[in-house]
Amino acid sequence: GAGVSQTPSNKVTEKGKYVELRCDPISGHTALYWYRQSLGQGPEFLIYFQGTGAADDSGLPNDRFFAVRPEGSVSTLKIQRTERGDSAVYLCASSLVGTMNTGELFFGEGSRLTVL
Amino acid sequence: DQQVKQNSPSLSVQEGRISILNCDYTNSMFDYFLWYKKYPAEGPTFLISISSIKDKNEDGRFTVFLNKSAKHLSLHIVPSQPGDSAVYFCAASGAAGNKLTFGGGTRVLVKP
Repeated sequence: GAGVSQTPSNKVTEKGKYVELRCDPISGHTALYWYRQSLGQGPEFLIYFQGTGAADDSGLPNDRFFAVRPEGSVSTLKIQRTERGDSAVYLCASSLVGTMNTGELFFGEGSRLTVL
Repeated sequence: DQQVKQNSPSLSVQEGRISILNCDYTNSMFDYFLWYKKYPAEGPTFLISISSIKDKNEDGRFTVFLNKSAKHLSLHIVPSQPGDSAVYFCAASGAAGNKLTFGGGTRVLVKP
């Protein structure tokens, strides 16, 4: 597809369960970002990948959160032992990084996670 | 500590009039600023940006103004249209392509 694709669009889970959220960025975009948006707030940075490596993971709230991007394209955000406070919309974005980059991130529609 | 703040959670304006959205930041290392627009159940979409070396950037009905000394930027939409009704986020970065720090958003309602 032409845009950033995120699956699942909705995920309901129980407290303590493990969750994986997937992001398929725009083809050719080397940078990939995960953000979390809680109700009534702006997106909050979690982690940024440049290629396969995490260039900045300073936004991950704790060690229950982990993300990978093994081949430099698709990324998976993994949340262990989910808590009710993890309920939010998880947004993925991608961008080109280079001299032509304007700083614009292209966002997917998000994965809404609800932890009961 | 919120580095990017949008102090007005909502704004209501009549169709055809000007919408002015404000944003303040605290981090003097920010040198690139963007506005995003978000409709319900969709991801944010890029609207307009400005580099810190400029004080104004215009794109059609949208103009962004930057006042570096006041660490303040604003987005002007004129004339406002009903399709502009959405949540608008101000964002800032330390360098183009780097991670963005977002404000809390301003919900705009344009009344016909």
